[in-house]
Amino acid sequence: SQTIHQWPATLVQPVGSPLSLECTVEGTSNPNLYWYRQAAGRGLQLLFYSVGIGQISSEVPQNLSASRPQDRQFILSSKKLLLSDSGFYLCAWSTGTGFVQPQHFGDGTRLSIL
Amino acid sequence: AQKITQTQPGMFVQEKEAVTLDCTYDTSDPSYGLFWYKQPSSGEMIFLIYQGSYDQQNATEGRYSLNFQKARKSANLVISASQLGDSAMYFCAMREGETSYDKVIFGPGTSLSVIP
Repeated sequence: SQTIHQWPATLVQPVGSPLSLECTVEGTSNPNLYWYRQAAGRGLQLLFYSVGIGQISSEVPQNLSASRPQDRQFILSSKKLLLSDSGFYLCAWSTGTGFVQPQHFGDGTRLSIL
Repeated sequence: AQKITQTQPGMFVQEKEAVTLDCTYDTSDPSYGLFWYKQPSSGEMIFLIYQGSYDQQNATEGRYSLNFQKARKSANLVISASQLGDSAMYFCAMREGETSYDKVIFGPGTSLSVIP
């Protein structure tokens, strides 16, 4: 069966520090991968999605970036964190066969910027 | 414009009663899928149920059913026999089109509290 791992679970970082969040999927090949951010008490905001290695689409211009160095690995990064980057970050995957496929989520990372 | 609308920010239901969470959507694409997710306080997003735009029958999954009214563009989630563990945020979501990379659009969510 397919599983998704996301780490770390919690992170406290100072303003201006770098960031690296990692997500890996097991049990499937060539998944579509997604990064979402959720502010406290709000809905999900799509940040990036990827349909293959090295292919990244950005939804929101910001100081975050994403990379997909391997088929089942998705990384969210920042060179300098802002206070507004605080939130709950979720990685998700789906199979690439159109609108019938749901997304499956990792357990998320709670990021606090001080 | 909002593509997914959930008009109930918060709902209360008595344990063992049924509850309906509203969701309306907007799309001009004939091919789309509608999803409901549950997010407990721990944060993980749990996929509950799916309805495709071409499906003739309403989807059901255990105590969850989806009341799909295509002409009204609504896809309400019905939870029967509510349990304390059903207390959570519930998100309605939509995925449009035939292409494999289409992103999923989420609604703002409804917070459900089950009262003993």
